[in-house]
Amino acid sequence: AQTVTQSQPEMSVQEAETVTLSCTYDTSENNYYLFWYKQPPSRQMILVIRQEAYKQQNATENRFSVNFQKAAKSFSLKISDSQLGDTAMYFCAFISPQGGSEKLVFGKGTKLTVNP
Amino acid sequence: EAGVVQSPRYKIIEKKQPVAFWCNPISGHNTLYWYRQNLGQGPELLIRYENEEAVDDSQLPKDRFSAERLKGVDSTLKIQPAELGDSAVYLCASSLRVSSYNEQFFGPGTRLTVL
Repeated sequence: AQTVTQSQPEMSVQEAETVTLSCTYDTSENNYYLFWYKQPPSRQMILVIRQEAYKQQNATENRFSVNFQKAAKSFSLKISDSQLGDTAMYFCAFISPQGGSEKLVFGKGTKLTVNP
Repeated sequence: EAGVVQSPRYKIIEKKQPVAFWCNPISGHNTLYWYRQNLGQGPELLIRYENEEAVDDSQLPKDRFSAERLKGVDSTLKIQPAELGDSAVYLCASSLRVSSYNEQFFGPGTRLTVL
């Protein structure tokens, strides 16, 4: 069974600084996708960034980038130039389309607070 | 383009009462998901529909939970009777099958409190 582990229940960062959120996962699959979702107090789950396992290049979306280490099964999120609006719960998630399953497996989340 | 719509946003009921949640996916999305998110946890899949067919309901507690998507568009998730442990946020998501991976778009969820 696939599992996703986020070892940091809470983190804080000063506005304009950089923060890294950690995620590890466990799977025997070779083809899969990894995601970081943001969930603000409004509860709307918003996709931040996606990484395909077969791509060696780390994904980047504006201020958000990932460090994908496939052999180590590690998938960390770096937020640069943190903004107050980045305050939210961040969830790491995994999906493997093999076998017809489309179940997103989520970690327990990291609560990020950006301080002014 | 309208996103995934869910109602109600909040629901408070007494235990043993029935409750229903409604979801309208993004127009044209053929796949619909219901997730449950317990406090301090990530969402967990309850059921997935491909059009009107439930293709994965292995995590749905079938003794008290039921779901339907009669015309392959909107969907209803029901709990009868509700228990204290059912207090959670119920999230609906939808996606359009175009490739091996299909991005899931989430609604704002319904927060259920069972007293």
